[in-house]
Amino acid sequence: AQKVTQAQTEISVVEKEDVTLDCVYETRDTTYYLFWYKQPPSGELVFLIRRNSFDEQNEISGRYSWNFQKSTSSFNFTITASQVVDSAVYFCALENNNAGNMLTFGGGTRLMVKP
Amino acid sequence: DTAVSQTPKYLVTQMGNDKSIKCEQNLGHDTMYWYKQDSKKFLKIMFSYNNKELIINETVPNRFSPKSPDKAHLNLHINSLELGDSAVYFCASSQLHRGTDTQYFGPGTRLTVL
Repeated sequence: AQKVTQAQTEISVVEKEDVTLDCVYETRDTTYYLFWYKQPPSGELVFLIRRNSFDEQNEISGRYSWNFQKSTSSFNFTITASQVVDSAVYFCALENNNAGNMLTFGGGTRLMVKP
Repeated sequence: DTAVSQTPKYLVTQMGNDKSIKCEQNLGHDTMYWYKQDSKKFLKIMFSYNNKELIINETVPNRFSPKSPDKAHLNLHINSLELGDSAVYFCASSQLHRGTDTQYFGPGTRLTVL
C-alpha cells in the first residue's frame, strides 16, 4: 500500500522568511513519481513539480526548491523569501504506474505567510 | 483556452436528488480522473478512465457512475445524494505514458447536499 505523510498540518511564517514543507512517502514500487501541487484560497489545484524516482537531483525553480532523498523516502519543498501570495495548501503526492497512475495525496500543509 | 474545465462550479441540492458534474479537457490526453476532496482537504481518487475504459474504481458507492462518451469527456453522475457526498470534486487528465503523465486538474465543483 502507498502512503504519503505531511506531518505539518499548518505553518505560519512572516514574509521573506524561508520555509520548508516536509513530505515522507511509503511505497514498495521501485519506479514511482512524486509531485507537489498548490491549492490557493481560490481552490484550484496547481501543478508545481514532478520527480522521477530514479532522479535524485535537487531542483530549483525561482524561489522554489525541492530536495528528494530516496534513502529517507522524503521529498521536501522549500520556499525561499516567502511572499503573501505563497499562502496556500500544499499537497505532496505519489503516483504508482502499476495502479493506473492514480495519485495518492498527503493530507496537505496549510502555509500562511503574513506581511 | 481552459485546459480542464468542469461544470457547474457550485452545486447545491437536496438529499435524495440525482445530479451530474461534467468534465472536459482540451489537452489531447487519453486518461481522465475524478478525485474527491472532503471538508478536511483530504484528496482521494475515485475513478480513472483510459481511452473511455474504466481502469480505477476505488471502492466508491455504486450511486456514483462515471461516464466517458469520448476521450475528452468524463462526467460524474450521482444518484440518491446523501449528506456525506458534500465535498469538492476535481476532474483531472493526463497522458498515460511514462515520462509525460502529469495530471492536470480542473477548477473543482463544490457540491453541497442539504
